[in-house]
Amino acid sequence: DAGITQSPRYKITETGRQVTLMCHQTWSHSYMFWYRQDLGHGLRLIYYSAAADITDKGEVSDGYVVSRSKTENFPLTLESATRSQTSVYFCASRDQENIQYFGAGTRLSVL
Amino acid sequence: QKEVEQNSGPLSVPEGAIASLNCTYSDRGSQSFFWYRQYSGKSPELIMSIYSNGDKEDGRFTAQLNKASQYVSLLIRDSQPSDSATYLCAVKEFTGTASKLTFGTGTRLQVTL
Repeated sequence: DAGITQSPRYKITETGRQVTLMCHQTWSHSYMFWYRQDLGHGLRLIYYSAAADITDKGEVSDGYVVSRSKTENFPLTLESATRSQTSVYFCASRDQENIQYFGAGTRLSVL
Repeated sequence: QKEVEQNSGPLSVPEGAIASLNCTYSDRGSQSFFWYRQYSGKSPELIMSIYSNGDKEDGRFTAQLNKASQYVSLLIRDSQPSDSATYLCAVKEFTGTASKLTFGTGTRLQVTL
């Protein structure tokens, strides 16, 4: 299917575990983004990538790691999950008109 | 940190009325502005983009931009219950090597029958 897909859609994990959230887009957009969304905070940028092998931190990057070895994939890893990382995570890609398209989101609960 | 401010609402309007959603931003150099709609439990989707001062209309939606006042708004005419959602204002900013969007916290709109 064309578009941007995230997996898993729902994830429950325990504190201290490593968790990887996957994001795949079929448009070959250069830019990709990871956000988290929490009540009262809106969408906050975790990491973004301007192209394969080019990544940069957003405003809430502590505790997260990303990689971008291929244009179409942009996985987000929580190295040692904490309860404060319980959130809804959205991946997005951006086209040449600067329009961002979002995946369906991953709802992560850290117990 | 650049800021984008929105009233969280809820903004309640009767069906058929005009809903007016407002957003202010702190970066005077911003050039690109976006409105996204997000239904509960869903991902944001783009409604409008606006880059120049003035109004931009698309169907029942009108985006208004005033760069001097650092203010962008979204008007929804003939509001429908299906318009009930959270509306996110986003402003594009440059970080030196790349560009990214800063989002407001969103305004929740309720259209009542």
